[in-house]
Amino acid sequence: NAGVTQTPKFRILKIGQSMTLQCAQDMNHNYMYWYRQDPGMGLKLIYYSVGAGITDKGEVPNGYNVSRSTTEDFPLRLELAAPSQTSVYFCASRTDSTDTQYFGPGTRLTVL
Amino acid sequence: QQPVQSPQAVILREGEDAVINCSSSKALYSVHWYRQKHGEAPVFLMILLKGGEQKGHEKISASFNEKKQQSSLYLTASQLSYSGTYFCGTEPSGTYKYIFGTGTRLKVLA
Repeated sequence: NAGVTQTPKFRILKIGQSMTLQCAQDMNHNYMYWYRQDPGMGLKLIYYSVGAGITDKGEVPNGYNVSRSTTEDFPLRLELAAPSQTSVYFCASRTDSTDTQYFGPGTRLTVL
Repeated sequence: QQPVQSPQAVILREGEDAVINCSSSKALYSVHWYRQKHGEAPVFLMILLKGGEQKGHEKISASFNEKKQQSSLYLTASQLSYSGTYFCGTEPSGTYKYIFGTGTRLKVLA
């Protein structure tokens, strides 16, 4: 049982490049979330999903897209990377019964 | 709107107690508490549901006052391992849009 996994762990992008941050969970959770955490700050919700095929925007969705074709995977797409997207990105999944969120280890992204 | 936590930062000696508060302007269904150590992902501590219940986890407990839309986290006889940033998290009633609080940095000194 790996829990929530994220790849890559680190990435440097040039302005204008695109990339996909991968997130997978093996706990059969319906709810999944993407957050970003800027240095010294709290976590901001980017997108969330309540099940396969169902996604919705969080607080800071601009510049990002998501898809949820399976229960296990919830990739986050960055289009036209900007320096303001330099952050640590966390994926999380949540149990239906206890509302406990389990976080992945994070992806540290730098846009230069 | 983001829940506001107080204090923003606190420094303790081992064995001292601390209280961290979380206030929301919106009606809450539940409040969660997390601890994040530097360079790591947040780790879930506990959840409090509507009903004003109080929960405990080792020497860490919390309360939830739904009328005031406030929750407090109580750390008793703090240990070095309690150092980190504490976040409350809420899910406004009727939504799945999870929001974290502003965070409280706690440092326990030997």
